[in-house]
Amino acid sequence: DTGVSQDPRHKITKRGQNVTFRCDPISEHNRLYWYRQTLGQGPEFLTYFQNEAQLEKSRLLSDRFSAERPKGSFSTLEIQRTEQGDSAMYLCASSRWGGNQPQHFGDGTRLSIL
Amino acid sequence: RKEVEQDPGPFNVPEGATVAFNCTYSNSASQSFFWYRQDCRKEPKLLMSVYSSGNEDGRFTAQLNRASQYISLLIRDSKLSDSATYLCVAHGEGTGNQFYFGTGTSLTVIP
Repeated sequence: DTGVSQDPRHKITKRGQNVTFRCDPISEHNRLYWYRQTLGQGPEFLTYFQNEAQLEKSRLLSDRFSAERPKGSFSTLEIQRTEQGDSAMYLCASSRWGGNQPQHFGDGTRLSIL
Repeated sequence: RKEVEQDPGPFNVPEGATVAFNCTYSNSASQSFFWYRQDCRKEPKLLMSVYSSGNEDGRFTAQLNRASQYISLLIRDSKLSDSATYLCVAHGEGTGNQFYFGTGTSLTVIP
């Protein structure tokens, strides 16, 4: 069990640029989640996948945010035309399917918008 | 109203003290509950699941009261290493399979 891996760990970019983050879940986990966390707050749910199907995306913050998991393994989260308010920690988590299965988080990607 | 609410604290307690955190959830369809621990600028890590009958893991005891829709975490004999933020989480297939996190309760254990 190698854990959830996220890349990059840090991203600094100018406002208006597009950014893409990658998440590799624990290999036997078929559910994958994306969260945003800002200082002093708990993780805020964005979207999740079961295998390659994106089953919930209504919580994505705007149409500038999109996520994919094309083969049911790794996932990407893209933010287009970044704004300063997008600065946050973006966390990925994975879990097995089924009730009472906890999530396991990656180290996160810290995004800073200049 | 937030789906999960916690007292943000901070709680500052001496080593060896017992401290309790409470958390309430608003969606009665929630089925699974967890406590996570998060250290500063790190990812959340699972501390323990919370079962209806209550459960204990060493110095940590979790309780669930479905009728009142609250969850508690008790830490006995606090250690300096327990200093962290504790996040309460509610989850359920009936809630769109989302995990709802509280804002976290900050604990500092003082020597």
